[in-house]
Amino acid sequence: GNSVTQMEGPVTLSEEAFLTINCTYTATGYPSLFWYVQYPGEGLQLLLKATKADDKGSNKGFEATYRKETTSFHLEKGSVQVSDSAVYFCALSLQGAQKLVFGQGTRLTINP
Amino acid sequence: KAGVTQTPRYLIKTRGQQVTLSCSPISGHRSVSWYQQTPGQGLQFLFEYFSETQRNKGNFPGRFSGRQFSNSRSEMNVSTLELGDSALYLCASGSFPGHTDTQYFGPGTRLTVL
Repeated sequence: GNSVTQMEGPVTLSEEAFLTINCTYTATGYPSLFWYVQYPGEGLQLLLKATKADDKGSNKGFEATYRKETTSFHLEKGSVQVSDSAVYFCALSLQGAQKLVFGQGTRLTINP
Repeated sequence: KAGVTQTPRYLIKTRGQQVTLSCSPISGHRSVSWYQQTPGQGLQFLFEYFSETQRNKGNFPGRFSGRQFSNSRSEMNVSTLELGDSALYLCASGSFPGHTDTQYFGPGTRLTVL
């Protein structure tokens, strides 16, 4: 079936550290890929997306590249801030549907 | 432009009762989807609506139902509530029902079943 697997959390880093959160997917066809972020007590906010292979999504210093050969969409940021502390979700949607399939989420904590 | 609004934000019900949650999409958006978020199961898809038609349904029992109105507002209903229905229910809206479209999420309705 269609699924998304994220690296297990929680992840704790110091401010200005480099961040990678791994995400791999299994899907039929050619999905679109998304990263959403959830701050405490809030809904999900789109962080970035990519709709075809080799596309790079970027926003607020975060980047992820759609790698079809490795079925991956890893999230990276060069220098994290305390305000980046949140839960990050990788997700895919399949052709013909808007339904999102989510990974289990990765809780990120950044210490000053 | 106002975002997705969900009402109420918090609900407390008892087992056996029923509940209706409401979602107003971003102005101009005609696609609405619903998701359930729990600590154990994560985020799970419930339904997707476009132009008052249900296009997809997730793997939930028939106690979960929904609808969309002509103004694109949507409601979901859960009948005969069970303890396991306690969750954050999130609504998302999009401009078209395609897999490349971005879905924008509301703040959610926190349902507690006692």
